[in-house]
This record gives sequence, C-alpha cells and structure tokens, in this order.
Amino acid sequence: DAGVTQSPTHLIKTRGQQVTLRCSPKSGHDTVSWYQQALGQGPQFIFQYYEEEERQRGNFPDRFSGHQFPNYSSELNVNALLLGDSALYLCASRGRDRRTDTQYFGPGTRLTVL
Amino acid sequence: GDSVTQMEGPVTLSEEAFLTINCTYTATGYPSLFWYVQYPGEGLQLLLKATKADDKGSNKGFEATYRKETTSFHLEKGSVQVSDSAVYFCALSRDTNAGKSTFGDGTTLTVKP
Repeated sequence: DAGVTQSPTHLIKTRGQQVTLRCSPKSGHDTVSWYQQALGQGPQFIFQYYEEEERQRGNFPDRFSGHQFPNYSSELNVNALLLGDSALYLCASRGRDRRTDTQYFGPGTRLTVL
Repeated sequence: GDSVTQMEGPVTLSEEAFLTINCTYTATGYPSLFWYVQYPGEGLQLLLKATKADDKGSNKGFEATYRKETTSFHLEKGSVQVSDSAVYFCALSRDTNAGKSTFGDGTTLTVKP
C-alpha cells in the first residue's frame, strides 16, 4: 500500500513565476492538507481539501490556491513566487473515519525560488 | 491564537541516555496534542498523541503526558538509540486526528554511540 506521494521531489523557479505541486493521498484517504515548512521551522498549515472543496485555510495569501480532484489527489498552486516561498511543501492525507484516522505525511517537495 | 513552544536544540546525547524534550502550548479549550518525528529526507511521522488531559501517549519507548495545569506535553524516552536521531515536532490540533495542526519549530536530536 503506497503512502502519500508527492511530485516533483525538487523544483527550482525564479521570482514571479508560477508553480504547481502535486499530491496523491494514501489509499482510502479522502482529505488532503498542505503545509509549508521553511528551513529550521515547523510546518505551517496552508489549507485543507475535502470533497473537492477548500474546507479550512491558514494565514496564507491568495497567491496560494489549490484543487482536489474526484480521485482525491490534490494540487497546490503558487502564483507570483517570492524568495520567501522557498520551503519544503508537505502534503498530508487522512481517512474517512474521523474518529480513528490520523493524518499521514508525504516526503515533501523542496521548492527553491531564485 | 494557538501556539506551540519547544525547547531549543540541538540536543546531543550518548546512546542509552535519558531524553526529555520540553513542549508547552497556548490554546483555549482542550486541543489534542501530538509528537511527530522527521528523519532526514523524509516526511513527518506521527510518534504519539493524547486527546485529553492526563492522557499518556506512548510508542516505541517514547512517552508524553498531557498536562492541562502546566499546558505541557513533554516527550521522554528512558534509553535513546542512535536510530532515534531525528527532528522532533510537538503539535496541537482542535481535531482529535490532527486535521489542521499548529507545530512547534522542532528539536534536533543527535545520539552518539
């Protein structure tokens, strides 16, 4: 059973560009959350998707947007990239049983903005 | 808003030493508390959790007790191994299963043989 997978592993962009990161949740999971982890810091919650809609959002600007597909996979889009967007972007998924299923994290996508 | 504060690292211990990593939180009500571990080049893995006051989470020899009176959730292990070297994150969530989590900045643990 594959866990949470993310692509690409690494990405280099320049300021002002746009980027799309992808996440496939663990089998049987329907909810996907995205986190930004700057170097030396803990992850910060960006948003969460369930039933193809954004359900919760952290304190991130509108340049950060997302999408969830009918197969539960998800994309994170960042427009007008800034140097400060350089970070590890983590995707986490969880299952339908809210009482017992905890979230599982993927290995992340390392984004470098030059 | 919610916040989590962890003891600053890095922490360096010899194998078989006792480990404590302090974690305190600020939040209203009764959040759930978590410890995650991140090995080099990998994503976060849930290590243990506690969902109500006085609960003790435990896994792989690690333990942490939810102390409401001191708003703390300190991580302990009686005898660390080299393989425990990693970054440890304390986190809280309003969701018992960590839907939207607030994390501390992490504590790097290095265990030397």
